[in-house]
Amino acid sequence: DTAVSQTPKYLVTQMGNDKSIKCEQNLGHDTMYWYKQDSKKFLKIMFSYNNKELIINETVPNRFSPKSPDKAHLNLHINSLELGDSAVYFCASADGGRTGNTIYFGEGSWLTVV
Amino acid sequence: SQQGEEDPQALSIQEGENATMNCSYKTSINNLQWYRQNSGRGLVHLILIRSNEREKHSGRLRVTLDTSKKSSSLLITASRAADTASYFCATATPGGSYIPTFGRGTSLIVHP
Repeated sequence: DTAVSQTPKYLVTQMGNDKSIKCEQNLGHDTMYWYKQDSKKFLKIMFSYNNKELIINETVPNRFSPKSPDKAHLNLHINSLELGDSAVYFCASADGGRTGNTIYFGEGSWLTVV
Repeated sequence: SQQGEEDPQALSIQEGENATMNCSYKTSINNLQWYRQNSGRGLVHLILIRSNEREKHSGRLRVTLDTSKKSSSLLITASRAADTASYFCATATPGGSYIPTFGRGTSLIVHP
């Protein structure tokens, strides 16, 4: 069984559209994350969500919003997509938000904005 | 949160050679982790070294940590073509929420 799964894997959409990427983890973890990886492979934290506490990277535009219906899900919603949003988005989870715990990543969602 | 910076950005070697990549960070840490990313895939955890450890081994992997220099190295011995991937370090800082931060990784190519 896949520990962290995200859908869709590939998404091509036009500028100005609104899209969502879904993420689910079956590890029973309390903390989930969204990361963005650009074309130069730089992996940047976007959000951290733990026990209803949302920590936002201040550099993330407010067009991006995480939504967590329950502890096992953290979806990423993006409004008014721009060309610069094209990237690979990774969902990840860790146990209890305690330092030192292994992070488990999904396989990524390739977003292309045209 | 702080960011781990990997060096070099790219490394190309022949099968059988050793590969060494480095990670530098800026503030005190609880631990440092290394991850691997195959092309088109998510990151996979390789090894964790705690701040009170200086060296750790796992199979062909050897990780060192020098907290005085705020740096770590990952050595892959007897490399194989299957080791071709990007390698990232992530740091966890004391206190606060656990938000691991990464850099842009070291892209390793092992030629058969």
